[in-house]
Amino acid sequence: NAGVTQTPKFQVLKTGQSMTLQCAQDMNHNSMYWYRQDPGMGLRLIYYSASEGTTDKGEVPNGYNVSRLNKREFSLRLESAAPSQTSVYFCASTPRRTDSTEAFFGQGTRLTVV
Amino acid sequence: AQSVTQLDSHVSVSEGTPVLLRCNYSSSYSPSLFWYVQHPNKGLQLLLKYTSAATLVKGINGFEAEFKKSETSFHLTKPSAHMSDAAEYFCVVTLTGGGNKLTFGTGTQLKVEL
Repeated sequence: NAGVTQTPKFQVLKTGQSMTLQCAQDMNHNSMYWYRQDPGMGLRLIYYSASEGTTDKGEVPNGYNVSRLNKREFSLRLESAAPSQTSVYFCASTPRRTDSTEAFFGQGTRLTVV
Repeated sequence: AQSVTQLDSHVSVSEGTPVLLRCNYSSSYSPSLFWYVQHPNKGLQLLLKYTSAATLVKGINGFEAEFKKSETSFHLTKPSAHMSDAAEYFCVVTLTGGGNKLTFGTGTQLKVEL
């Protein structure tokens, strides 16, 4: 059981380039999330999708777009990368939009924008 | 609104001595609370969770946490630290009835010395 799979694991971009981070889960979860992790700031929510066909902004959505392609996949797109988007990105999923359910995380994507 | 404060950004203990990582939360409603651990260059793993059942929660690897509503605290403890416990620990809150938008603390880096 793979859980939550993110690709790529590492990426270096030049300022202004675009890219898409891919995330897929094989646990039949309804809800999926994208977080970024920066030193001393914990994880901050970028976007989430409570169920297939819906997406909502989180705490730090500027500069990003998302697509919930189907129940399994939730992608994060940087249209014009900026150095401030250098970070580690985590995708997560939960079975349903309830409170007591733990989130399952991918292994992360380390993105550097130069 | 909900928030979580981890009172120490770094904690250093000797192997075999107790561990205390402090977390205070703020929530307008009944919260669900979690502790996650992140080892270097790894994803996040759930240690334990509180979901309005028993206030003393036992997790993996000998960790436990006590939910104290009067103090709005959810401190993580372990009787005897092991070298393998060295990692970053995140306290996380989500709202009962508010979906699964996890709010992370800024993290506590635990160092275990011989």
